[in-house]
Formats: sequence, structure tokens, C-alpha cells
Amino acid sequence: DGGITQSPKYLFRKEGQNVTLSCEQNLNHDAMYWYRQDPGQGLRLIYYSQIVNDFQKGDIAEGYSVSREKKESFPLTVTSAQKNPTAFYLCASSIGTASETQYFGPGTRLLVL
Amino acid sequence: KNQVEQSPQSLIILEGKNCTLQCNYTVSPFSNLRWYKQDTGRGPVSLTIMTFSENTKSNGRYTATLDADTKQSSLHITASQLSDSASYICVVSSWGGGGNKLTFGTGTQLKVEL
Repeated sequence: DGGITQSPKYLFRKEGQNVTLSCEQNLNHDAMYWYRQDPGQGLRLIYYSQIVNDFQKGDIAEGYSVSREKKESFPLTVTSAQKNPTAFYLCASSIGTASETQYFGPGTRLLVL
Repeated sequence: KNQVEQSPQSLIILEGKNCTLQCNYTVSPFSNLRWYKQDTGRGPVSLTIMTFSENTKSNGRYTATLDADTKQSSLHITASQLSDSASYICVVSSWGGGGNKLTFGTGTQLKVEL
């Protein structure tokens, strides 16, 4: 099966805790993205990576960190500095630049205990 | 500031009926426009992509139109089915600052009922 997967489907975070969301793709895409989706708002870009070992901040990067050690993987860490982390997190990938169609994973819903 | 506005915010129609969703954008310079379908609790899936020179593009029962002069797009759904119940998101791509940037609309929540 080709595609993009995210895990876990649901994640609970305690106060002061860092949590990591997984994103894996086997589409051989160079570019990967993390978005945050809140009710009544459009998707907002957190981080993106166009090649391995390189990534750029999006519009709302504060309180988040990423790594891109492998082409297939782009994990997102929600740090304790992110004061309002409750949201639906979507990972996407594309062949090249953002003008290419992005393929989205099924999402991870993060909730704060 | 680049913006994408969609209307209506939500819509309820009966199965078998047609409907049209609207998207107005103030994105410049324009690169392309996409419509995505997002089922509840899932990631968005691309329906159509339109460039500046394209007026109409179809994908099965979905037909998208683009008027680049007025910066408006519409998504027409024909003979709706229960499975069409979802959020439909308009996304506009612009080129600037050395790269492409996507601006997402907030979506139209469509519910198809029996």
C-alpha cells in the first residue's frame, strides 16, 4: 500500500510534557509538511521540509519542533512551550514544491489532560 | 494579506440534489487553486486543481470553475450522495519570497440527507 500514515490517531498530553507525533510516507516524495487544524479555521502551516536534513518554519512554529533524518519520516514534537496544543494535526507530502498536490495523512488528534 | 473565503459556511441538501460551493480569494501572485474534500476525522483529499488558464475542470460528479479576473471559484456537485457529506476546502497557491505558499479556506461543511 502506498501512502502517508500518522500515529497515533489520538494522543493525550499532560501539563509540561513533550509529545511526538509520527508521520511516515512511502510515496518517495521529497517535501513533507505539518499543519494544525482548529475548528472554524483554515489549515495553518507549522513546519515544512523540502529535502532530508533541512526544514523551515511555517506560520505557527512556536512551541513545535521537527526533524527530517530520513526521506520517509517527518516527526513533529509538541513541546511544553506550546500553551494551546489541543488540535487536529495533519501531515502531508508532495513530490516537490508547495505548488504540487499535497497528499494528506489521516491526522492525529491531540488532547490535553 | 492573502485570504481565501468560502461560502456558505455550512449547507444541508437532500440526496440527489445539486449544490454549488463558492470560494473567493485575494491571493497574489496566483499560481493555482485546488478543491479538497475532507471527511470528518480524516485528512483532506484532492478533488481538482486549476491553473490560471483553466475555466472548468471535472472529476466525476464534481465540477470546479475558475474566474481568474474576479478571483472566484465554485465547486458544483451533481446528484449528491450521502457519501458527499464532508468539508470542502478551497486552497490557493501563490508564488513569492522564493517559494510557493498555500492559503487555505475554512471550508464549507456539507451534509447530504435522505
